[in-house]
Amino acid sequence: EADIYQTPRYLVIGTGKKITLECSQTMGHDKMYWYQQDPGMELHLIHYSYGVNSTEKGDLSSESTVSRIRTEHFPLTLESARPSHTSQYLCASSDWTGARTEAFFGQGTRLTVV
Amino acid sequence: EDKVVQSPLSLVVHEGDTVTLNCSYEVTNFRSLLWYKQEKKAPTFLFMLTSSGIEKKSGRLSSILDKKELFSILNITATQTGDSAIYLCASNGGSQGNLIFGKGTKLSVKP
Repeated sequence: EADIYQTPRYLVIGTGKKITLECSQTMGHDKMYWYQQDPGMELHLIHYSYGVNSTEKGDLSSESTVSRIRTEHFPLTLESARPSHTSQYLCASSDWTGARTEAFFGQGTRLTVV
Repeated sequence: EDKVVQSPLSLVVHEGDTVTLNCSYEVTNFRSLLWYKQEKKAPTFLFMLTSSGIEKKSGRLSSILDKKELFSILNITATQTGDSAIYLCASNGGSQGNLIFGKGTKLSVKP
């Protein structure tokens, strides 16, 4: 069973607020990801990390930022939330250097900016 | 450009039917092909395929990879309403070794 956790699960916040979405995994995976998914739409990679102190932008441009100070923790921050940021955010991790390359997903954070 | 294409995008069947979902890929530095099931929440892992011709099976679900033709299929036999979900295909590869997802196949199983 995957041990990757996201908080909060649901968040409604006003425009202009700063928010941080938390993601933690206990599997010791080096690689972590953030995906953005609108309802019924495909997953878009917005950030990823190869390990501590590594952060990279994904395929979809995003106004969010990430940090990776500890292996198990990969928070995503929006400095000033806007209604266009309303979406589901999914965190995932994988052991990308090993034989098994599947990613395990957290339960997601559904963000609504009003 | 690396890409993963799934078909059909949506499918409606009745309980007991057998379905085949398709996934084709064009990915540099290919490492594996993965299938996920997504209901209302996060995707859950189904299969990882790395070798051609070796079927992976779990209950009524099975999958196989053809690395020569660059595609994979996911079969579901004797479908049940609980199989209703979006099935995502992803390829691990590309220049950064990330998962590249297809748009998914939305499967609806009617009683």
